[in-house]
Amino acid sequence: TQLLEQSPQFLSIQEGENLTVYCNSSSVFSSLQWYRQEPGEGPVLLVTVVTGGEVKKLKRLTFQFGDARKDSSLHITAAQPGDTGLYLCAGLFGNEKLTFGTGTRLTIIP
Amino acid sequence: NAGVTQTPKFQVLKTGQSMTLQCAQDMNHEYMSWYRQDPGMGLRLIHYSVGAGITDQGEVPNGYNVSRSTTEDFPLRLLSAAPSQTSVYFCASSGQGQGPDMQYFGPGTRLTVL
Repeated sequence: TQLLEQSPQFLSIQEGENLTVYCNSSSVFSSLQWYRQEPGEGPVLLVTVVTGGEVKKLKRLTFQFGDARKDSSLHITAAQPGDTGLYLCAGLFGNEKLTFGTGTRLTIIP
Repeated sequence: NAGVTQTPKFQVLKTGQSMTLQCAQDMNHEYMSWYRQDPGMGLRLIHYSVGAGITDQGEVPNGYNVSRSTTEDFPLRLLSAAPSQTSVYFCASSGQGQGPDMQYFGPGTRLTVL
């Protein structure tokens, strides 16, 4: 079973600050996804990265895939209260099964 | 489109009871999957299906059965509920050729087994 470790597990910061969340594995991913989950709802896909070294931006969110395709990071610039939620990374090993990380619970304090 | 729908939203069972969690999607997606989410453990794959008539086991399949008789529906059956199956269950689907790469998740079913 492939394992995905996310850090930190919990993060609470003031509005306007920057933050980075990490996702690491000892295995190589075919691709990696980032999701955000609100309380009482299912996860919503934010981005998929496929190529080692790839960087994708979604407004104030920047996603990076490691060169070796074993790790990824999510950086949020000027965090806003609407960014509050559970952030999950998920790695695809092979073609049919997705393995999720344990998540980072982010709270942005107004 | 309604997307991915799940019923019921909440359910309480007694140990040993059986039940079926329903999942349906109206996007003509080939790939469907079931996950459970427990505190501190993320989402774990229970079963998945790459198309009608085809199912396979995920990471934690014991105690659960699935079938895929149509493209739209992918029910999850608990054969004999146990307290360890208390969890939030999510169904997801993604389009043809995408595998689990671009999954749409349902709103979840919160199950408590007493």
